[in-house]
Amino acid sequence: GAVVSQHPSRVICKSGTSVKIECRSLDFQATTMFWYRQFPKKSLMLMATSNEGSKATYEQGVEKDKFLINHASLTLSTLTVTSAHPEDSSFYICSASPLTSGGADEQYFGPGTRLTVT
Amino acid sequence: AQKITQTQPGMFVQEKEAVTLDCTYDTSDPSYGLFWYKQPSSGEMIFLIYQGSYDQQNATEGRYSLNFQKARKSANLVISASQLGDSAMYFCAMSSLQNHKLVFGAGTILRVKS
Repeated sequence: GAVVSQHPSRVICKSGTSVKIECRSLDFQATTMFWYRQFPKKSLMLMATSNEGSKATYEQGVEKDKFLINHASLTLSTLTVTSAHPEDSSFYICSASPLTSGGADEQYFGPGTRLTVT
Repeated sequence: AQKITQTQPGMFVQEKEAVTLDCTYDTSDPSYGLFWYKQPSSGEMIFLIYQGSYDQQNATEGRYSLNFQKARKSANLVISASQLGDSAMYFCAMSSLQNHKLVFGAGTILRVKS
């Protein structure tokens, strides 16, 4: 089946530093990848939609300069949290939509990355 | 705009019993998809079942079935023969075939009692 990996699974960083999270589709090509943020016991909130070779589309209220997204290939998207602060601590989940998905209804989720900013 | 409503913050069910998790939705899109995901404490999102808005029959996947009532805009998940391993957070979500984005409900925490 379609597998999506995320790296790292957990990261602790100091306030003011930047953190990069990778999302990879392991056995399929993904035209579109999505980045979500989830607070404890809350729902997933879409942050941005990432299309290979083009700029990401950010949801309202999400700072594009804060959360840098790069989708350099059909199997890799990265989310960089720049100048991280404790309020950026959260669970970040990516999903990938296969190239062959005509209606793009299929999204396969990565296992998530738990970011803690101290 | 699309909206998903899950009115049950938490549910308990006895092992081996069936349970229904409620989900209602709102959309102006003529074509859409409805999903249910399970999220255990590990955090991974596990796809359970999908229903297309034009599907005539209710979707079923093993012990999971989706009670799709289009006129009522509801897409309830039915889990039969509950198991202890079913204890998790469950999310209902919908996508529009226009923008392909998933919108999630608030989730329902299910606890299966032995």
